[in-house]
Amino acid sequence: DAMVIQNPRYQVTQFGKPVTLSCSQTLNHNVMYWYQQKSSQAPKLLFHYYDKDFNNEADTPDNFQSRRPNTSFCFLDIRSPGLGDAAMYLCATSRDTGTQYFGPGTRLTVL
Amino acid sequence: GQQLNQSPQSMFIQEGEDVSMNCTSSSIFNTWLWYKQDPGEGPVLLIALYKAGELTSNGRLTAQFGITRKDSFLNISASIPSDVGIYFCAGQLNSGTYKYIFGTGTRLKVLA
Repeated sequence: DAMVIQNPRYQVTQFGKPVTLSCSQTLNHNVMYWYQQKSSQAPKLLFHYYDKDFNNEADTPDNFQSRRPNTSFCFLDIRSPGLGDAAMYLCATSRDTGTQYFGPGTRLTVL
Repeated sequence: GQQLNQSPQSMFIQEGEDVSMNCTSSSIFNTWLWYKQDPGEGPVLLIALYKAGELTSNGRLTAQFGITRKDSFLNISASIPSDVGIYFCAGQLNSGTYKYIFGTGTRLKVLA
């Protein structure tokens, strides 16, 4: 089945220690998104890639970076995680501006 | 960031009851999506709506795109325990934007 896959599902890191979360998709969608979701709040868009074009939301901290080496994969890098970065990180994909499909998420714990 | 008004915020219902929730806004939307999120999982798409007045069903779920394009409704008939979760609406302001605005969520609990 075509899907959005996120690894790992659970990630524990130490305060200030860089961490990378990964997302892959078999839907062949050209747009990939990263969202942050805290304690059952609505997902908050961090950035998205339209093909190779990176689009950052204005309020996304510089601490968050992203890479998309090819159509199928996208990575979220948190350079120096703080306690406030503990959250569920959701990857989503779409074809152009169409319906977004989410992965299962990675829950990040910062110690 | 901008969010849609979603109500109710939470609800407890008895198994077998029907459930209604809605999202409202002062803005006009081009597309409405409804998602269900289980604890520790990502949102799962339930229904997508693309035209004003559109009424779409998915099993026991029915959703409508409001005529004014400023609101959307989700109904669940004959609720069962696995309907427990958080339901989010998401609206797209125009077809040219990648950004969906999410509702604040409705937390549903079903009492057996």
